[in-house]
Parts: sequence; structure tokens; C-alpha cells
Amino acid sequence: AQSVTQLGSHVSVSEGALVLLRCNYSSSVPPYLFWYVQYPNQGLQLLLKYTSAATLVKGINGFEAEFKKSETSFHLTKPSAHMRDAAEYFCAVRPSNTGNQFYFGTGTSLTVIP
Amino acid sequence: DAMVIQNPRYQVTQFGKPVTLSCSQTLNHNVMYWYQQKSSQAPKLLFHYYDKDFNNEADTPDNFQSRRPNTSFCFLDIRSPGLGDAAMYLCATSRGLADTDTQYFGPGTRLTVL
Repeated sequence: AQSVTQLGSHVSVSEGALVLLRCNYSSSVPPYLFWYVQYPNQGLQLLLKYTSAATLVKGINGFEAEFKKSETSFHLTKPSAHMRDAAEYFCAVRPSNTGNQFYFGTGTSLTVIP
Repeated sequence: DAMVIQNPRYQVTQFGKPVTLSCSQTLNHNVMYWYQQKSSQAPKLLFHYYDKDFNNEADTPDNFQSRRPNTSFCFLDIRSPGLGDAAMYLCATSRGLADTDTQYFGPGTRLTVL
């Protein structure tokens, strides 16, 4: 079975501090991995995706994520948090042999403290 | 800008009164999806259309139906809404069902059931 685990349903950081949102996946085959951001009362916006090219993926708004097969992880980072980064973040996995089924994590709510 | 549009953004209905949610896209994508997202939970796929082919998830209740009259539009019909159907409903599209095809989400419709 495929699954995604996001450790920490709520993360708080100070403005300017490092943002680290954790995502671990379980998949029997190398998956494709995605991070989405959801602002209040809005849909999901793609931040970045890993599709078996470079393991370090750069996305929008200064975010990046690194695929680590040995750790089955795809953690999202940003060097310096901004107030506008406060949102819900979802990690999603799509196993590479099962068509277009997405499996979302339960989300991490990021709070940025001024 | 090419985009995914959902109308209305907020919908209020009465218990048992049929309701229809609308999604349109200007991306000319082949695949359209409907997700249900309850408060503080991950989006849950209800069904998707690849062109005119309808694909229902195994655990989607019969109360939920969908129509796709043309490439641009897709509707979600809830025949007899219950209190448990109150949620955000997200529409998404993708170019195809290839592993690398990203899903693009609309802003969502928040459904309230009285």
C-alpha cells in the first residue's frame, strides 16, 4: 500500500527562520512526489515536484525539497520564512506504476511568527 | 491565464436538497478530478474523467455523481446531501494520466449543509 506521512500537523517558525516540513513515503517502487500549498479558503497550488530527475528540486516562492531514497523522505525547506508563507502544506505521492492516483498526506499547518 | 475555475465559491444547501457544483477549465486538459476535503484533512479523490471515460473511486458514495458534457466543464452532483457532506470540494485537471502529469487545482467550493 502507498502512503504519505507528514510529521507534525502544526509547525511554527519565526519570520526569517528556516522552514522544515517533513514528509516520508512508503512505496514499493520509486514514486513521484509533490508538495502543494493551500492558503485559507483556496485550492491547492503546486510548489514543486520530483519526477526522477535531480534529487534536489527547486520550487516557487523560495522552497525546495530533496528526495532521499535511503530515507524514503521528501522534506520541504525554505531558508528564511516570510509571513506570507503561513498556509497548509500537503505532501503527495504518486507511485510510478499506478497511473494517476495521488495519495495526500494529512497536511502541515505552518505558522510564521513576526 | 489558463486556469481552473469553480463556481460558486461558497454554496449553502439544505439537508436532502440536491446541489450541483461546477468546474471549468481553460487548460484543455483531458482529465478532470473531483476531491472532497473535510476540515483539517487531506483531499480525498471521489472520481475522475479521462475525456468522457468516468472512473469512480471504490469508496465514493452513490450519493455523489458527476457529469462532463464537454472538455471544459465538469459537474459534481450531490443527490441528497447529508450533514457529513459539508466540506470543501476541489476540482483539478491534468493533461493526461502519465506519471509526470501534474494536477492543477481550482480554488474550491465550500459546501455548507443546513
